[in-house]
Amino acid sequence: EVVMTQSPATLSVSPGERATLSCRASQSVSSNLAWYQQKPGQAPRLLIYGASTRATGIPARFSGSGSGTEFTLSISSLQSEDFAVYYCQQYNNWPPLTFGGGTKVEIK
Amino acid sequence: QVQLKESGPGLVKPSETLSLTCTVSGGSISSYHWSWIRQPPGKGLEWIGHISYSGSTNSNPSLRSRVTISVDTAKNHFSLNLSSVTAADTAVYYCASRSATVNIFDIWGRGTMVTVSS
Repeated sequence: EVVMTQSPATLSVSPGERATLSCRASQSVSSNLAWYQQKPGQAPRLLIYGASTRATGIPARFSGSGSGTEFTLSISSLQSEDFAVYYCQQYNNWPPLTFGGGTKVEIK
Repeated sequence: QVQLKESGPGLVKPSETLSLTCTVSGGSISSYHWSWIRQPPGKGLEWIGHISYSGSTNSNPSLRSRVTISVDTAKNHFSLNLSSVTAADTAVYYCASRSATVNIFDIWGRGTMVTVSS
């Protein structure tokens, strides 16, 4: 099973600042990596797939990068609606499909 | 636009079978692939399994012996059965559509909370 590790667990950022979230895979997943955003009481929402392709309707301030075992999600200028928990998910080696433990982005 | 809605009992007794249904609206169930994912309270996401429109299934090896996923095209819904539940199965259960070409989840239901308790 591919273990996905996200860091940090919590990221405190001021509105308008840039946020950088990391995701590491226990083995190479090529570019088969997705990112999701989850707000309290809501289902996750797909942001990024293929490590760097934004899903339909996702603002350009969200960008993904990386390949192999190291990935990054960047949010260029945090808006109030961006404070949430973010999960990465690998789909290269499965079953099982696996998620990271999440990074909570909170207001500083 | 496809929408998904989970339904089923919110409380299940230990050792019994958890049964949930996901109703698909705004599209045909035969046009997509379908998944179940769960999230224990305050924790992360765990993939349970999925079913294709042709009926082929796959599931998480950690749950495989207890999981059955099926599809009912006439009713435009798909279902999850999880047998021999314990308190560790307490979670919000989500149904989601899985992209036809890659194993990502592009449309999600709102989720339903299931508690395992006597």
